[in-house]
Amino acid sequence: GAVVSQHPSRVICKSGTSVKIECRSLDFQATTMFWYRQFPKQSLMLMATSNEGSKATYEQGVEKDKFLINHASLTLSTLTVTSAHPEDSSFYICSARTGAAYNSPLHFGNGTRLTVT
Amino acid sequence: GQNIDQPTEMTATEGAIVQINCTYQTSGFNGLFWYQQHAGEAPTFLSYNVLDGLEEKGRFSSFLSRSKGYSYLLLKELQMKDSASYLCAVNQAGTALIFGKGTTLSVSS
Repeated sequence: GAVVSQHPSRVICKSGTSVKIECRSLDFQATTMFWYRQFPKQSLMLMATSNEGSKATYEQGVEKDKFLINHASLTLSTLTVTSAHPEDSSFYICSARTGAAYNSPLHFGNGTRLTVT
Repeated sequence: GQNIDQPTEMTATEGAIVQINCTYQTSGFNGLFWYQQHAGEAPTFLSYNVLDGLEEKGRFSSFLSRSKGYSYLLLKELQMKDSASYLCAVNQAGTALIFGKGTTLSVSS
């Protein structure tokens, strides 16, 4: 069964509004979660690493003031897209490892399809 | 810099064998993962290689050569449901995975 739960699966919002996406680890604690973005027919691009109890680490070119990440507990990370614009429309996916070993695979949530009108 | 290359598209027929290649140049290496992704869905884990050689798991096998920066995913006895994108991803320093652009495989009858 799923080990990472993501909600909502789809969201449509108006330009200028904010959208919050939740990512939960099921039956395990995740001190680190990863947020990816995927545009149509392109690969997964790492946006940021979410760290429980501390600030997220953002990849180059990702605006931290626009994509707010909060990892307040060991099982929940949230990504808020602030002041969304049509170019933010994309597939956002969170992921986490169930184990600490480097060979532990990333497990992905089912993704959130964001459409900004 | 970091670079992970895969063919963009491949086609094959049911029952056949297909090999999807991946070459990589990354600043760190802690293993290579293969994922399968159906359209509109999240990726699912297929295999992991950190040592040179072949890892077999049912119809799927994955090979790694660290000296050549090369891996392949081998799919045997292809089925229609194998039509999907296959993503090669390098594990850097045990944190996030860096993904290639993916190979879209189309299986026809």
